Amino acid sequence: AQTVTQSQPEMSVQEAETVTLSCTYDTSENNYYLFWYKQPPSRQMILVIRQEAYKQQNATENRFSVNFQKAAKSFSLKISDSQLGDTAMYFCAFMKLMNYGGSQGNLIFGKGTKLSVKP
Amino acid sequence: NAGVTQTPKFQVLKTGQSMTLQCAQDMNHNSMYWYRQDPGMGLRLIYYSASEGTTDKGEVPNGYNVSRLNKREFSLRLESAAPSQTSVYFCASSERWDSGELFFGEGSRLTVL
Repeated sequence: AQTVTQSQPEMSVQEAETVTLSCTYDTSENNYYLFWYKQPPSRQMILVIRQEAYKQQNATENRFSVNFQKAAKSFSLKISDSQLGDTAMYFCAFMKLMNYGGSQGNLIFGKGTKLSVKP
Repeated sequence: NAGVTQTPKFQVLKTGQSMTLQCAQDMNHNSMYWYRQDPGMGLRLIYYSASEGTTDKGEVPNGYNVSRLNKREFSLRLESAAPSQTSVYFCASSERWDSGELFFGEGSRLTVL
């Protein structure tokens, strides 16, 4: 079974600085997706970034980028120029790619990292 | 832009009572999901519906039932609530069942006494 581990329950960063959130996962699969989701306080969870395992290039979305190390099964999220609005719980998630109709398309979530951005 | 709407947002039940959580999405998505979130844990999938007319069990389906009423609506029913079902429930939808790109509702906080 796949597992996702986020070893940092809480982190803080000063506004405008850079912070990196860690995520490791365990799988024997070769084809999968990895995600970072953000859950702001009392607000809906939203997708931040997605990485396909077959792509060597790290995904980026504006100030958010990932460092995907497939051999090490590591998938960290870097937030540059942190803003107060980045304060949230961040969840790393894994999804195995499967043949159509053969599986659940289930996301396996880590326990989350609570990030606080301080002014 | 309503997105994914869940009702109710808060509910307190007594052990053994039943209730239904409602979920509707206006994005014309094919797939819908119900997750629960417990303190110190990630989200766990209860049930999902890959497309209208189909439903399947997720990781933690015991004690729950679902109905995909139409393409827009996906309800979660607790027939006989138990304290272990105290949780925050999230409905989500996606255009494709296997994209992993989910759009979430705001959550429903359920307490079972």
